[in-house]
Amino acid sequence: IQLTQSPSSLAASVGDRVTFTCRASQAIGNTLVWYQERPGKAPKLLIYGASTLQDGVPSRFSGSGSGTVFTLTINSLQPEDFATYYCQHRSNYPPNYTFGQGTTLDIK
Amino acid sequence: QVQLHQWGSGLLKTSETLSLTCAVRGGSLSGYYWSWLRKSPGKGLEWLGEISHSGVTNYNPSLTSRLGLFVDTSKNQLSLTLTPLTAADTALYYCARVSYNNGRPFDFWGQGSLVSVSS
Repeated sequence: IQLTQSPSSLAASVGDRVTFTCRASQAIGNTLVWYQERPGKAPKLLIYGASTLQDGVPSRFSGSGSGTVFTLTINSLQPEDFATYYCQHRSNYPPNYTFGQGTTLDIK
Repeated sequence: QVQLHQWGSGLLKTSETLSLTCAVRGGSLSGYYWSWLRKSPGKGLEWLGEISHSGVTNYNPSLTSRLGLFVDTSKNQLSLTLTPLTAADTALYYCARVSYNNGRPFDFWGQGSLVSVSS
């Protein structure tokens, strides 16, 4: 299964609302995960099961979708949100994890 | 709070062996799978393989012949070996815990180990 993220980069301002998309090459139910990666830091888990917020993640982050199309939305962008975002899926047979190529969110 | 602290070889030459270790603090290895991943400019984030606390392993099919994953429950540590190295193995390597939540996300990550391979 391949994951394709769009756009590859996006410029926005503090306070904006942004939406990223992740498309799977075949239906994966709701087994989609989102991470945030800030420069010099390990990726941070944001959302699992397509829409469940990981403990401690601000409520301005939300995820939706099922099947082949998934979105990550950030409401009211904060300065610390400018980072790269990745989607991820785990195949069961055989076990394998796939990542999208990432969407970089830059300050406008 | 679970913390993963990793260390290992940094500057290596082609055909040599990479060895990395990841210590789990604030939690036990038991009951979880533990993964290794890497990020390189050319390939983005790539999953390398995973190992359970009892030593059951799953590898990325592209690395099966070169990758070894090990667990030392007495030390609460994981380790990785990759050999023989090529320049394409230059990357930032991470260890991470695999959660049992939907999608099997990586919920705790090490700080990363930078590996550079040259000829």
